[in-house]
Amino acid sequence: QKEVEQNSGPLSVPEGAIASLNCTYSDRGSQSFFWYRQYSGKSPELIMSIYSNGDKEDGRFTAQLNKASQYVSLLIRDSQPSDSATYLCAGPSNAGGTSYGKLTFGQGTILTVHP
Amino acid sequence: ETGVTQTPRHLVMGMTNKKSLKCEQHLGHNAMYWYKQSAKKPLELMFVYSLEERVENNSVPSRFSPECPNSSHLFLHLHTLQPEDSALYLCASSKKYRADNTEAFFGQGTRLTVV
Repeated sequence: QKEVEQNSGPLSVPEGAIASLNCTYSDRGSQSFFWYRQYSGKSPELIMSIYSNGDKEDGRFTAQLNKASQYVSLLIRDSQPSDSATYLCAGPSNAGGTSYGKLTFGQGTILTVHP
Repeated sequence: ETGVTQTPRHLVMGMTNKKSLKCEQHLGHNAMYWYKQSAKKPLELMFVYSLEERVENNSVPSRFSPECPNSSHLFLHLHTLQPEDSALYLCASSKKYRADNTEAFFGQGTRLTVV
């Protein structure tokens, strides 16, 4: 089983709508998760970190962590065409026995916001 | 300069060549990583260094050889690569050893093409 999975996508939403991106994880002991945005041809950019159960809001972005369901989501309110990118969910990886700050990434969800 | 800087941004090399990728971080972090991103595949962790000591090697072929002379610099030495090694190679850095609080920041990446 993959440590972090993003099964949805690609996702297309109209400008101004709410975009909802989802991620599940397998390690029940994981404490923190991260959302990265990656524009085509560019490197991943950290946009949200979440370390506790519940919601965390930053501007138009809200990250949600549900440890009971092992589920992480990212909501983008008032979506803009400039939000069009691939969104990567990441969590700590224990592969190899230690984590040392390693991250495991989902395969990404391509979001397109059309005018 | 700030953040994580990678050079070169683009590299085309023959299968018999030897080249090196360079990464430098100005964030005061003491853990650095090499990731590989191939088309249609999730980011794959290649190597982890913490305090100049390699703490993880994810079964990467020996034609990839990392070097970390200090906490700010990381190299990836390449020799006798194969066409399937063509990918985006990303360097990242983070604070050390916090398995549950590890924001990683990426460089711009090196787009490698092996011909």
